Amino acid sequence: AQSVTQLGSHVSVSEGALVLLRCNYSSSVPPYLFWYVQYPNKGLQLLLKYTSAATLVKGINGFEAEFKKSETSFHLTKPSAHMSDAAEYFCAVSDRMGGGNKLTFGTGTQLKVEL
Amino acid sequence: GAGVSQSPRYKVAKRGQDVALRCDPISGHVSLFWYQQALGQGPEFLTYFQNEAQLDKSGLPSDRFFAERPEGSVSTLKIQRTQQEDSAVYLCASSLDRAGNSPLHFGNGTRLTVT
Repeated sequence: AQSVTQLGSHVSVSEGALVLLRCNYSSSVPPYLFWYVQYPNKGLQLLLKYTSAATLVKGINGFEAEFKKSETSFHLTKPSAHMSDAAEYFCAVSDRMGGGNKLTFGTGTQLKVEL
Repeated sequence: GAGVSQSPRYKVAKRGQDVALRCDPISGHVSLFWYQQALGQGPEFLTYFQNEAQLDKSGLPSDRFFAERPEGSVSTLKIQRTQQEDSAVYLCASSLDRAGNSPLHFGNGTRLTVT
């Protein structure tokens, strides 16, 4: 079974400050890890994904995440927050062994960006 | 370009009514997924189709939930005798291949409210 845990259901940062959203995973097989962003009343948009090619993954909108096997973590960061980054962020894990790209999501972190 | 389209965007049903939620995936996408997202939670897997074949329905919460994709394109999620706990956003996603290598594209969801 696979699972992800997102620490902190709400994170608030000032505009221009570092964004750090935490995700830890549990998986019995090498995981595929994802970060999605969801704006109000919208579907999920893929920010980035880890597929074992490189441990530091760069995504859209200036976000990046680092896969750390020893810490079973895949934290999402952005050096400088922008007001438009305010949204809900979901970490997810996938098992490639059959079943297509079925995802198991965390409970989400709501990011607030303040002036 | 056309993305994943879901209809209706909002649905209010009285307890005990049947509802049908529609998903139009991206043309040519083989895989189609349904997820349920309760308020304040991450999406949870319901069911998966590869073309017209329903390969995984392990996430359907009860036998009141039924999904179909008869011609391998449009899919319908049907909920019979709706209950208040069925209130959630229902997300549909599609991907190009069957191996899980291509990303999921999500629709904007249908928000179901059962009164």
